[in-house]
Amino acid sequence: DSGVTQTPKHLITATGQRVTLRCSPRSGDLSVYWYQQSLDQGLQFLIHYYNGEERAKGNILERFSAQQFPDLHSELNLSSLELGDSALYFCASSVGKNTGELFFGEGSRLTVL
Amino acid sequence: GIQVEQSPPDLILQEGANSTLRCNFSDSVNNLQWFHQNPWGQLINLFYIPSGTKQNGRLSATTVATERYSLLYISSSQTTDSGVYFCAVKVNQAGTALIFGKGTTLSVSS
Repeated sequence: DSGVTQTPKHLITATGQRVTLRCSPRSGDLSVYWYQQSLDQGLQFLIHYYNGEERAKGNILERFSAQQFPDLHSELNLSSLELGDSALYFCASSVGKNTGELFFGEGSRLTVL
Repeated sequence: GIQVEQSPPDLILQEGANSTLRCNFSDSVNNLQWFHQNPWGQLINLFYIPSGTKQNGRLSATTVATERYSLLYISSSQTTDSGVYFCAVKVNQAGTALIFGKGTTLSVSS
């Protein structure tokens, strides 16, 4: 158990819908990262938050957004879903802003039908 | 951006065999991690090893930062070692994140 909690574990929805994925980092970790893993793109970095502030953006679509709340949990919002958004979405956390080991949650598997 | 190349892409072993997985990266890094993704999709931390050598049971890893590569050694492989092994690196620059290689898929048969 990495200490990073993600919900839901599985989610099935239809094209055009909106979903929210939730992540609780390890106790004491201030950084939260979101990654997307699809069969054709591998593990892609989406976005990084540190102590409530956005630190870096990767290959995140405009239809996706995220935020980190004062209690340090984070949510990833995916809207206007397309079939190609079907993937495993991981959250990771680390202590520091720019360094340190990342620990990953078990992921949220999203299926868009 | 930084490039991360892993080799070999696929590896098939008999139980008990040893193997070496390689990760080459194109820039100086301040973080290098090895992960094992099991058949259920979980990403399990194996090593945090930006430089030097570490060992954990049957697994060990070495990173030669000056030559920009890392090696993961698996000895006496077991069927439970099957899965995908990822190397991921991060450059020492603000606003960057851990970048993953494409992985090595390992299949160990009994």
